[in-house]
Amino acid sequence: NAGVTQTPKFRVLKTGQSMTLLCAQDMNHEYMYWYRQDPGMGLRLIHYSVGEGTTAKGEVPDGYNVSRLKKQNFLLGLESAAPSQTSVYFCASRATGGTQPQHFGDGTRLSIL
Amino acid sequence: DAKTTQPNSMESNEEEPVHLPCNHSTISGTDYIHWYRQLPSQGPEYVIHGLTSNVNNRMASLAIAEDRKSSTLILHRATLRDAAVYYCILRGYQGAQKLVFGQGTRLTINP
Repeated sequence: NAGVTQTPKFRVLKTGQSMTLLCAQDMNHEYMYWYRQDPGMGLRLIHYSVGEGTTAKGEVPDGYNVSRLKKQNFLLGLESAAPSQTSVYFCASRATGGTQPQHFGDGTRLSIL
Repeated sequence: DAKTTQPNSMESNEEEPVHLPCNHSTISGTDYIHWYRQLPSQGPEYVIHGLTSNVNNRMASLAIAEDRKSSTLILHRATLRDAAVYYCILRGYQGAQKLVFGQGTRLTINP
């Protein structure tokens, strides 16, 4: 019963490097979301997707790109990492209809040196 | 998005009830009240949600004021595992139903 799986769990990057965070869900959910959480703060929405092949900007999209080529996967890319992107990144997914809750992964801790 | 206001922190004792308040004076008629909690080093998890009537589930109860300008999450018998940050979030019914997280209430449970 995996739910939402994020890889990697930890990563350290140097400024200017690029990387991709992977989110996979096995619940056949239509909606997927990427958030970041800085120390002592609530989560902020980066990008989201309402279905396969779709993406949309959230509250803090700058410096990130996303892709949803397969329904079960939502990828978050950092094109040129900056120290300000040091954060914990959470992925979530949600079924359609009504007020279905979001299901979250355990996060990816990313440090940019 | 309508805003919610919660106390920064609360403290309670194990096996006692806990009442976590949330004010949302600008709530619209179509906003649902959602509660999530985040245990240390984990992603948030859904707790409960409601629109107008009080709601109960296996985790908690949600009491909603008659004018809907405030609500209270009730943990009937707190355990050490309930120590977490609790977020009260307003969410519409349509569209992507994005969650807007505030700073939440950090709940400490004393043994």
